[in-house]
Amino acid sequence: SAVISQKPSRDICQRGTSLTIQCQVDSQVTMMFWYRQQPGQSLTLIATANQGSEATYESGFVIDKFPISRPNLTFSTLTVSNMSPEDSSIYLCSVGSSGADTQYFGPGTRLTVL
Amino acid sequence: AQSVSQHNHHVILSEAASLELGCNYSYGGTVNLFWYVQYPGQHLQLLLKYFSGDPLVKGIKGFEAEFIKSKFSFNLRKPSVQWSDTAEYFCAVNNAGNMLTFGGGTRLMVKP
Repeated sequence: SAVISQKPSRDICQRGTSLTIQCQVDSQVTMMFWYRQQPGQSLTLIATANQGSEATYESGFVIDKFPISRPNLTFSTLTVSNMSPEDSSIYLCSVGSSGADTQYFGPGTRLTVL
Repeated sequence: AQSVSQHNHHVILSEAASLELGCNYSYGGTVNLFWYVQYPGQHLQLLLKYFSGDPLVKGIKGFEAEFIKSKFSFNLRKPSVQWSDTAEYFCAVNNAGNMLTFGGGTRLMVKP
């Protein structure tokens, strides 16, 4: 399986600011995804990061709040914009060879918004 | 839309006890099924998966799961748990063209 790293591993941010999270994979992958894991809850898919085109967002998530970039097949970023305390979560990226294939997860970014 | 439910939110067992964690999903078509584990302070890891074939699948660390299509279930089992199995366990489902849907998770604590 691919080795996935995320930066930063954790951060504490002020309300109203933005944070960009990076996801780096050690090999080229077709699919990259971003998930959110709110405190005490399960994982929810935010969006699929598409290489060379706009991300595909799930219901309840919008590009203005969570802009995503995917400039190549090994890298993606997720920005959490205009943060509020409700955005405090762990944000995870995952990779797979297709939407229906096994997904492997990065270590996550623990975000706290004050 | 598909959904996944895990019946037990918290489970406490003594070492050497047997484990069964329930997972049910709602989707009538072909599905791929997964169990992921998240050990304290570590990231999510794949425990086992089912795509097709033998409905009894074996994963790492002595875990196994059985896919029962008629019951829409994919329960996770281990005959004898160890203290090191303390973790949170997530069942997940996807079908062709759809993304992973996770259950709510089950926190397992194994007492030494």
